[in-house]
Amino acid sequence: GAVVSQHPSRVICKSGTSVKIECRSLDFQATTMFWYRQFPKKSLMLMATSNEGSKATYEQGVEKDKFLINHASLTLSTLTVTSAHPEDSSFYICSATREYEQYFGPGTRLTVT
Amino acid sequence: LAKTTQPISMDSYEGQEVNITCSHNNIATNDYITWYQQFPSQGPRFIIQGYKTKVTNEVASLFIPADRKSSTLSLPRVSLSDTAVYYCLVGDIGNQGGKLIFGQGTELSVKP
Repeated sequence: GAVVSQHPSRVICKSGTSVKIECRSLDFQATTMFWYRQFPKKSLMLMATSNEGSKATYEQGVEKDKFLINHASLTLSTLTVTSAHPEDSSFYICSATREYEQYFGPGTRLTVT
Repeated sequence: LAKTTQPISMDSYEGQEVNITCSHNNIATNDYITWYQQFPSQGPRFIIQGYKTKVTNEVASLFIPADRKSSTLSLPRVSLSDTAVYYCLVGDIGNQGGKLIFGQGTELSVKP
């Protein structure tokens, strides 16, 4: 099946710094990717839709200036958490669609100290 | 996007068949029904997808009645490794580019 990777798998950063998370579709091209966040014991919450070559579409309540999304190529989308704070600590998951099926990455655990 | 309702949790024993039902009363004509499995600290994994009647693959079956207002994921002879959260999602992937909204999911616990 299609594979989506994320890097890094886990990251610890200090409050006030920025961190970038990469999402790659390894064996297919994805014009659309999605970013989710998940808190412990909670469901996935869609943050934004990443469109190759255009601006991302953010869900209501998600700060676009805090969560910068760039979809520079058909196989790579990045999520940058700017000026991270402890409340941004979460599990971030990306996904990509190929032929009506959505494939998820393994997730990135972000801890802000 | 149609909202889904599932039981919050279910318990089962090894070797039993487990059926998880999902309600989606507002499902639209073009919506498909997709089930995902998620283990702790991992991304969701696709299990099965269907539009109507019955779909079967090597790991599960999906039963969808004629009115499509609900669906049932059937896991035959579960094992301890099937302990996970199962999500039912509905959406028109073709028109929405794959946008999926996750509900609360069902936490399945399989005991020896």
